[in-house]
Amino acid sequence: AQSVTQPDIHITVSEGASLELRCNYSYGATPYLFWYVQSPGQGLQLLLKYFSGDTLVQGIKGFEAEFKRSQSSFNLRKPSVHWSDAAEYFCAVVGSGGYQKVTFGTGTKLQVIP
Amino acid sequence: DADVTQTPRNRITKTGKRIMLECSQTKGHDRMYWYRQDPGLGLRLIYYSFDVKDINKGEISDGYSVSRQAQAKFSLSLESAIPNQTALYFCATGTTGNQPQHFGDGTRLSIL
Repeated sequence: AQSVTQPDIHITVSEGASLELRCNYSYGATPYLFWYVQSPGQGLQLLLKYFSGDTLVQGIKGFEAEFKRSQSSFNLRKPSVHWSDAAEYFCAVVGSGGYQKVTFGTGTKLQVIP
Repeated sequence: DADVTQTPRNRITKTGKRIMLECSQTKGHDRMYWYRQDPGLGLRLIYYSFDVKDINKGEISDGYSVSRQAQAKFSLSLESAIPNQTALYFCATGTTGNQPQHFGDGTRLSIL
């Protein structure tokens, strides 16, 4: 069965500092991977996605993520965090077979301090 | 206007009441989903529908039912609400499974 682990429930960074949010997945083949962001009072918004090809993918709002098959990871990064990045971030994996079930991680809440 | 609209945005009700949450979309997507979000648990799938005549249970469907009235409308019902159904509920739409889903802004449901 596929699964997603986001080991950090809560992360606090200073504005302007770099950010890395961890995501580890379990799936028997190459999965489809997504990062979503949820701002307070809003639904999830897609940041970026990985299907195949270049393992470093660029997304919106200056975010990027790197797919590392050997580590079963898809970590999200941003070189310089802005106060507006404070939100909850979800990693998701989609299997390639059957109905292509989406499994979400439990989320990482990001706090940005001035 | 929002592509995926959920109504109501907030609802407080009592145990035993019947509740309906509605979702409509203008994205033209065939697939629609209902999720429940609880702190620390992420999003869990309640029901999903690939078209009007194709409705399937998700991982936590007990106590819930759905209706796909049209391609653009997908409603979630709690026949007899109980306090542990207090949560944030999201509707989402999509095309194929390997494409990202598009989410509404959620319905915050509190059951007293």
